[in-house]
Parts: sequence; structure tokens; C-alpha cells
Amino acid sequence: AQRVTQPEKLLSVFKGAPVELKCNYSYSGSPELFWYVQYSRQRLQLLLRHISRESIKGFTADLNKGETSFHLKKPFAQEEDSAMYYCALRGYTGRRALTFGSGTRLQVQP
Amino acid sequence: EAGVTQFPSHSVIEKGQTVTLRCDPISGHDNLYWYRRVMGKEIKFLLHFVKESKQDESGMPNNRFLAERTGGTYSTLKVQPAELEDSGVYFCASSQEIPGANVLTFGAGSRLTVL
Repeated sequence: AQRVTQPEKLLSVFKGAPVELKCNYSYSGSPELFWYVQYSRQRLQLLLRHISRESIKGFTADLNKGETSFHLKKPFAQEEDSAMYYCALRGYTGRRALTFGSGTRLQVQP
Repeated sequence: EAGVTQFPSHSVIEKGQTVTLRCDPISGHDNLYWYRRVMGKEIKFLLHFVKESKQDESGMPNNRFLAERTGGTYSTLKVQPAELEDSGVYFCASSQEIPGANVLTFGAGSRLTVL
């Protein structure tokens, strides 16, 4: 069975501090990993995906197959980063739907 | 380009009543997904349509839930009869089937409150 675990419900940091949102997964095979974000009063939207290997809004995430993790990082948090962040997984074969974690709310304080 | 549209945005019904949620995907998107987020929990997969066919309905909780996508365009999700535990936000998402670029676009969600 595939599973995504986000251990923190809430992460509160001050502006300018580094941020790391944790994500661990369980999947037999090679998965696709994603981070989705939902800002206040906005829709759930894709932030980044591991195969793109790009930085979006200063965020990066590296897939660590040994630790089965896909943590989201940003060196200097901004107030506009405050949002709900969801880690998600999808297999390359079989079920094409995403499996989401329970989400982490990031609060960036001034 | 219009995004994924969901209606209603919020529905309040009593236990035992029926509710029908509608999703209009982005035009040309063959894949349509329904998800549900119950308060404080993860976003859970319900089912996946490819055009008008149900590709995967393994996430449907029970037979009180019925999803359709007639003609492969918009989809409806009916809950009949509704129970208290059905309360939550129901999301619809759509995507094109492009290998390596199958990215989901989500609707704003339909909040269902069952009293």
C-alpha cells in the first residue's frame, strides 16, 4: 500500500528563518513525488514535482530514496509562504491518482 | 482558459437527505478525479474517470456515493442518503494524459455539511 506521512500539523517560523516541511512515503517501487500548496482562499495548486528538479518560489525538495523522504525546504521564509502544504505521491504504473499526506500548515510570523 | 469549476461551493443538508455535487473539468482533459478532505485529515482519493469510464473507484467509501460522467464532460457525485461522517470538502481535479506531464488542476472544492 502507498502512504504519505507528514508528521507536523503546524510549523511556525519567523520571517527570514529556514523552513523544512517533512514528508516521508511508503511505496513499493519508484514513485513520483509532489508538493501541493493551498494559500488562504485559493485553490490547491502544484508547487513542485521531483522529476522537474527545479526551485519554485525559493522552495526545493530532493527525493531521498534511501530514507524514503521528500522534504520541502526554503532557506529564508517569507510571510507570503504561509499556507497549507501537502506532500503527494503517485506511481508510474497502476493507480494514477495521487495519494496525499495530511498536510502541514506553515505560519511565517513577521 | 477556464479552470476546474465546482458547484455548489457550500451545501448544508440534514442527515438522510440527498446532495449532488458537480464538477466541470478543463475542456479537453480526459482525466477527472474526485477527492475528499475530512476535517483535520488527509485529502483522500475517491475515484478517477478517463473520459466517461470509471478507471479506478477504489476510494469510494460505500454505495451511498454514486459518481457519473456522462459524455465524458462534466461529472456529478451524488450522496444518498447523506450521513454525518460525509461532511467535508469534496475536490475535483482534471488533467490531460501526457506522459511525464500529467499534472492535476484542482477546483475550489465543494464544502458539504451534514447536520
